[in-house]
Amino acid sequence: DIVMTQSPDSLAVALGERATINCKSSQNILHSSNDKNYLAWYQQKGGQPPRPLIYWASTRESGVPDRFSGSGSGTDFTLTISSLQAEDVAIYYCHQYYTIPVTFGQGTRLEIK
Amino acid sequence: EVQLLESGGGLVQPGGSLRLSCAASAFTFGAYAMTWVRQAPGKGLEWVSTVSGHGATTYYADSVKGRFTISRDNSQNTLYLQMNSLRADDTAVYYCASSRGISYFDYWGQGTQVTVSS
Repeated sequence: DIVMTQSPDSLAVALGERATINCKSSQNILHSSNDKNYLAWYQQKGGQPPRPLIYWASTRESGVPDRFSGSGSGTDFTLTISSLQAEDVAIYYCHQYYTIPVTFGQGTRLEIK
Repeated sequence: EVQLLESGGGLVQPGGSLRLSCAASAFTFGAYAMTWVRQAPGKGLEWVSTVSGHGATTYYADSVKGRFTISRDNSQNTLYLQMNSLRADDTAVYYCASSRGISYFDYWGQGTQVTVSS
């Protein structure tokens, strides 16, 4: 199974500052046939289902504010929130869908400093 | 607006069974693979099972293989998860989620709580 490891486990950032969450996969998740990274990011707020933010490592889901961006390739990926807003307090998960079983990172809890 | 609505959760004794349902509306149900993802209390997300759009292909996590069965009825726009031989560590919120084939999960239901306890 592909293991997804996020860092840090928790993060406190001041309003308006940049937040960066990292995700490392134990195997390459860049498919050579289409040059796509099979990596998504989700946001989960208390008592709610996960909300997709980013897919194919860097494509923003419709309706997601442009302060959210994804980058990386192969085994190392990053979710960046360029200017943290109060409504961004949540747990963030990365997810590889390169192979079954699909797997998730353990989550990163983002709070306001 | 796409909606996925889970039902069928509840409290069950160890060794018991439950059948979860996920009713879909406002999208072409048969064009999507459907998946169950669960989240134990205070824990992260765990993939459980996926069924292809036509229903012929299914996949299971090792932790549920042989105990859970995923199925779908495209005429009723409904996904199912038959859960047998339930154990305490199956306690979780169970979400249904959709994907366009091998892809990320674009729509999620609100979840249904399954509690396995004596």
